[in-house]
Amino acid sequence: KAGVTQTPRYLIKTRGQQVTLSCSPISGHRSVSWYQQTPGQGLQFLFEYFSETQRNKGNFPGRFSGRQFSNSRSEMNVSTLELGDSALYLCASSLYLATISSGNTIYFGEGSWLTVV
Amino acid sequence: AQKVTQAQTEISVVEKEDVTLDCVYETRDTTYYLFWYKQPPSGELVFLIRRNSFDEQNEISGRYSWNFQKSTSSFNFTITASQVVDSAVYFCALATLPGTASKLTFGTGTRLQVTL
Repeated sequence: KAGVTQTPRYLIKTRGQQVTLSCSPISGHRSVSWYQQTPGQGLQFLFEYFSETQRNKGNFPGRFSGRQFSNSRSEMNVSTLELGDSALYLCASSLYLATISSGNTIYFGEGSWLTVV
Repeated sequence: AQKVTQAQTEISVVEKEDVTLDCVYETRDTTYYLFWYKQPPSGELVFLIRRNSFDEQNEISGRYSWNFQKSTSSFNFTITASQVVDSAVYFCALATLPGTASKLTFGTGTRLQVTL
């Protein structure tokens, strides 16, 4: 079955612009989470959505936002881009809200490489 | 606060050598989950294993094995008879209650280079 699909895979933006990244979870999966990966900060949790509601949020400024649609697809948006936003943005999906007491496995996509110039 | 430390930034081995990747974690919670993920150059994080804090049994899966020791807060990962395809960055991660497994605290990763 198809894995987690992220688009676009690569993009270059200018400081001050905004960007929208898209994530299609594995068919049937209802939970989507987002991570930012940078050489300096490593992998950091951004937010998690389940049933179109944000369930969890990491420590990122309000410029980072997301949403989930009724078909479980998710988008994240970064406004007023800064050079430091250059990163690999990873999306992950799981069948249900990935409570750690459950047997849920989380599957990651290949990510969207964002370069801000 | 949670913390995961992977002190080995990069390891280079020759194919068929055994290699152990170290992971040390910090948490005040008594219930938590530990994970290992592999990240090949394509960027995708590939799930390898999940272990809860109440299960200290070591696990073996083919050439992979994991040693969980609560006494030293370590969850080390060993690859036996390494292969070139094992070359990747490996991440150890921690999730605690209350919370979700999606809110993982990752270590900084260990880059493994396996050469012929």
